[in-house]
Amino acid sequence: KAGVTQTPRYLIKTRGQQVTLSCSPISGHRSVSWYQQTPGQGLQFLFEYFSETQRNKGNFPGRFSGRQFSNSRSEMNVSTLELGDSALYLCASSLAGFYEQYFGPGTRLTVT
Amino acid sequence: ILNVEQSPQSLHVQEGDSTNFTCSFPSSNFYALHWYRWETAKSPEALFVMTLNGDEKKKGRISATLNTKEGYSYLYIKGSQPEDSATYLCASNTGTASKLTFGTGTRLQVTL
Repeated sequence: KAGVTQTPRYLIKTRGQQVTLSCSPISGHRSVSWYQQTPGQGLQFLFEYFSETQRNKGNFPGRFSGRQFSNSRSEMNVSTLELGDSALYLCASSLAGFYEQYFGPGTRLTVT
Repeated sequence: ILNVEQSPQSLHVQEGDSTNFTCSFPSSNFYALHWYRWETAKSPEALFVMTLNGDEKKKGRISATLNTKEGYSYLYIKGSQPEDSATYLCASNTGTASKLTFGTGTRLQVTL
């Protein structure tokens, strides 16, 4: 079956702009989690959605938000971009939060 | 232990060597412990998900054990091959099943 897809794969934005990233999970998976990876840091948990509800959120400012649609596709939005938001953003889908997660290829965001 | 910690940070072994890594995690409110393999330019790939104290899992030359009472897991690779070169991540669902906390990983390099 088709894997997790993320769009776009690469993105360059300017400080102060906002950005929306998209994630399409594996068919049948209802849980979608988002992670940020920056150099020297591990994968940092952003949030997890299950059946259109955010069940958990990591320690990120309110500029980071997300949502999940009825078809389980998810989007995350970052408003008022800062240079420190430059990172690889990964989404992962699973049957439920504690089952194995299947990762997408990621979106590389560069903020200049 | 408040966070997920992995050791060593990096490891360089010769082809044919056996090696092991350690993951320490909070033992209270434990749900599951995950191991992932992340090769350069690819997405993290699930190796194992373990939930019960004493669990042992095996996939080919790679195996893992879990001690939930003391909060640690070991990953073993028998007869390392160059294709085993990757970063190995562990992550735990602790406190809530819907949030996965990752360690910073062990980077393994296997040379001929």
